[in-house]
Amino acid sequence: NAGVTQTPKFQVLKTGQSMTLQCAQDMNHNSMYWYRQDPGMGLRLIYYSASEGTTDKGEVPNGYNVSRLNKREFSLRLESAAPSQTSVYFCASSEGHRTDTQYFGPGTRLTVL
Amino acid sequence: AQSVTQLGSHVSVSEGALVLLRCNYSSSVPPYLFWYVQYPNQGLQLLLKYTSAATLVKGINGFEAEFKKSETSFHLTKPSAHMSDAAEYFCAVSGGSNYKLTFGKGTLLTVNP
Repeated sequence: NAGVTQTPKFQVLKTGQSMTLQCAQDMNHNSMYWYRQDPGMGLRLIYYSASEGTTDKGEVPNGYNVSRLNKREFSLRLESAAPSQTSVYFCASSEGHRTDTQYFGPGTRLTVL
Repeated sequence: AQSVTQLGSHVSVSEGALVLLRCNYSSSVPPYLFWYVQYPNQGLQLLLKYTSAATLVKGINGFEAEFKKSETSFHLTKPSAHMSDAAEYFCAVSGGSNYKLTFGKGTLLTVNP
């Protein structure tokens, strides 16, 4: 099993450009999450999807949109990138219960110039 | 609402010394608590979790943590540090009616030879 995969691994954008970060999991998990990691800030939840067909805002949703394409895939879109969105983005998945372990992908390092 | 405070953004120990990483939490409901580890340029992986069974929880790589409700703490310890333990460690809490995790800001552990 590959677990949680993310593409791309690295990306450089110019201010105002758009892009979509892709995430897929092969563990048949119900819930999926997008986090951003910034130095000294820990991980902050951007959006999550409790189950296929549902999405909800997390702590820092502004400037992002998400799509839960099917049970396996959860994408994150930046419509008009800003330098403040320079970060490392992680996708995670879990069964969907409070005691569950979240499994993380390897991350996407995004730089917005 | 829940929150996590990790005391010390950077901890440095000698190889063979005790590792102690501190985590205090706040939660309006009985919490579930997690420690994750992040090695350089990788995603996060679970070290251990407390889910209201035993208060002393053992995890991978010789780490353990004790849930102390009276002190609202969940400190991570390892009796003898190895060079391979050098990484960033995150404490997280799951509380309330959802399964979202709230992460602390992380503690970077350096192990000196």
